[in-house]
Amino acid sequence: KNQVEQSPQSLIILEGKNCTLQCNYTVSPFSNLRWYKQDTGRGPVSLTIMTFSENTKSNGRYTATLDADTKQSSLHITASQLSDSASYICVVSRTGNQFYFGTGTSLTVIP
Amino acid sequence: DADVTQTPRNRITKTGKRIMLECSQTKGHDRMYWYRQDPGLGLQLIYYSFDVKDINKGEISDGYSVSRQAQAKFSLSLESAIPNQTALYFCATSAPTSGGYNEQFFGPGTRLTVL
Repeated sequence: KNQVEQSPQSLIILEGKNCTLQCNYTVSPFSNLRWYKQDTGRGPVSLTIMTFSENTKSNGRYTATLDADTKQSSLHITASQLSDSASYICVVSRTGNQFYFGTGTSLTVIP
Repeated sequence: DADVTQTPRNRITKTGKRIMLECSQTKGHDRMYWYRQDPGLGLQLIYYSFDVKDINKGEISDGYSVSRQAQAKFSLSLESAIPNQTALYFCATSAPTSGGYNEQFFGPGTRLTVL
């Protein structure tokens, strides 16, 4: 069964601290993995995308890693800001344009 | 202007009413999707369309119908709304690309409340 699991479900960190979010998947055949940021009440916005041959991708303070052998990805946020408070969703795409969504990690950054 | 727009942004309706949510896109993408999102759950696919003549059911299509009026427009209808259809609804578009970089672009969402 094609599934995407994220952990932790929620996370609270102090402003300025780093954090890492996890995504495990069983989707096959794999096409790409994308991390989205979703602010409350808004549509998801893409942060990074990685294909099978890529194992790390950065976007400012966001760095995503992918281990295609173990089917795991992580999103590392450096020097967190209050504006990072959001839900972070891992989406894995199969070849053929099918998308599988994780339930997201809710991140709260407190001053 | 936003690439993917949804109307209305918020809607409160009563049980049994027929509701239509509309989605328009200026990205020129052939593929369009409707999702619903409930608190604590991932996005669930309702319907998708790969071109104007192609409509496919997603994992939770019961109680919903869609219409692809044009490449740029994809509407979702609730024929007889019920309270458990209260949710946040998202429209998305995508285009097939080479190299595996297919991406979905989401609209801002429609918050629907069925009383």
